[in-house]
This record gives sequence, structure tokens and C-alpha cells, in this order.
Amino acid sequence: DAMVIQNPRYQVTQFGKPVTLSCSQTLNHNVMYWYQQKSSQAPKLLFHYYDKDFNNEADTPDNFQSRRPNTSFCFLDIRSPGLGDAAMYLCATSTGGSFGEQYFGPGTRLTVT
Amino acid sequence: GQNIDQPTEMTATEGAIVQINCTYQTSGFNGLFWYQQHAGEAPTFLSYNVLDGLEEKGRFSSFLSRSKGYSYLLLKELQMKDSASYLCAVRKGGGATNKLIFGTGTLLAVQP
Repeated sequence: DAMVIQNPRYQVTQFGKPVTLSCSQTLNHNVMYWYQQKSSQAPKLLFHYYDKDFNNEADTPDNFQSRRPNTSFCFLDIRSPGLGDAAMYLCATSTGGSFGEQYFGPGTRLTVT
Repeated sequence: GQNIDQPTEMTATEGAIVQINCTYQTSGFNGLFWYQQHAGEAPTFLSYNVLDGLEEKGRFSSFLSRSKGYSYLLLKELQMKDSASYLCAVRKGGGATNKLIFGTGTLLAVQP
């Protein structure tokens, strides 16, 4: 089945130690998104790629970076995780166009110790 | 600015009907989505409205009034598995990237 895959599902990192979360998709969608969702809060868009074009949200901290080496893969790099970065990180994809329902991966829950 | 408001929690009985409201004030509007999210899982798409009126999909219906900045999700014949958080999300503006602004979600508890 076509899907959005995130690895790992659970990630523990130490304060200040760089960490990378990965997302892959078999849907061949143009657009890939990264969201941060803290407990009982709304998913918050960090950035997205339309093909190779990177779009950062204005309030996304510089500590968060992303790479998209090809259509299928997208990575979220947190350069120096703080305790406040502990959250669920959701990857989503969509086609471009006027509808473009977003398909979400299962998420990676990040713990910072 | 932008603001999307939903009730924080609701409780309903198995077999009943429940309506979850969402009001929004956003700078730009190009459609409203409803997603279901079970605890610890990813959101899954339920419905999409871009024009005023009611969209029906099985036990789920969604309504939109653009002039009032208002939508609701109607769930009929409630089942225990419908216990989840329901997220209202507004798509802003045009273009191809479908950026969504999410509300904080309504946690629905279905009781026997």
C-alpha cells in the first residue's frame, strides 16, 4: 500500500545532541511537510518542500533544518535539541493543486533527556 | 492574525449523534478540513469543504458557512471507536502547497 513512513517511531536524545528524523513516501507526492505537535496542542507547521523548493515558516527556530534529497525522502534535523523540543513530529505529504488532502505518517515521538 | 476555535472536550453516548463546532478567523481562506486523531497516532483525513453547505460521507458530515467563519462535523450512530480528537484545519490562500492551520482539536469521549 502507498503510504508515508516515519522512522524511528520513538527517539530519545540528549540535551544538545543533534538528532535526525526521517520520512519516506511511496505516494510520489510533490509536497512534503513537517509538523511539531506537543501534548494536547495543534500540529504546528515547521516547513514544507514543494519538489525541491524549501519553505520555512517565519516562526520556526533556526535549530530546525530540513533536507529533501529526492522525491521520496525528507529529513528533519534538530541541531541542538532542548527540553522544549520534546514533541511528536509528524510528516505529511500532498499533491499540489486545489485540493491536496494531506496524508500523515505515524509520527516520531522525540524525548529529550 | 489567525484563530481557530473548537471546544476542548465533548462527551456523547454510543449510538447518538454529536456535532463538533469550529469557528475560524484567518487571513485568507481556501478550504476547511476535518481530521480524526486517535491518541498517539497520526491524523487521518475525514472531510473537506470549500463551498458553503453540507458534505456527507457515510456516518460523517461536515458543514461550512464562509460568511460566518463556521464549520461543524456531525457524527451519527456513534461507535466506541469514534473516541478520538477531531481537528479542524483551515487551508490558507491559493497556490499548490496546501498549507494548513490546525485548531487544537476536540477530544470526543464516546460512552456506552
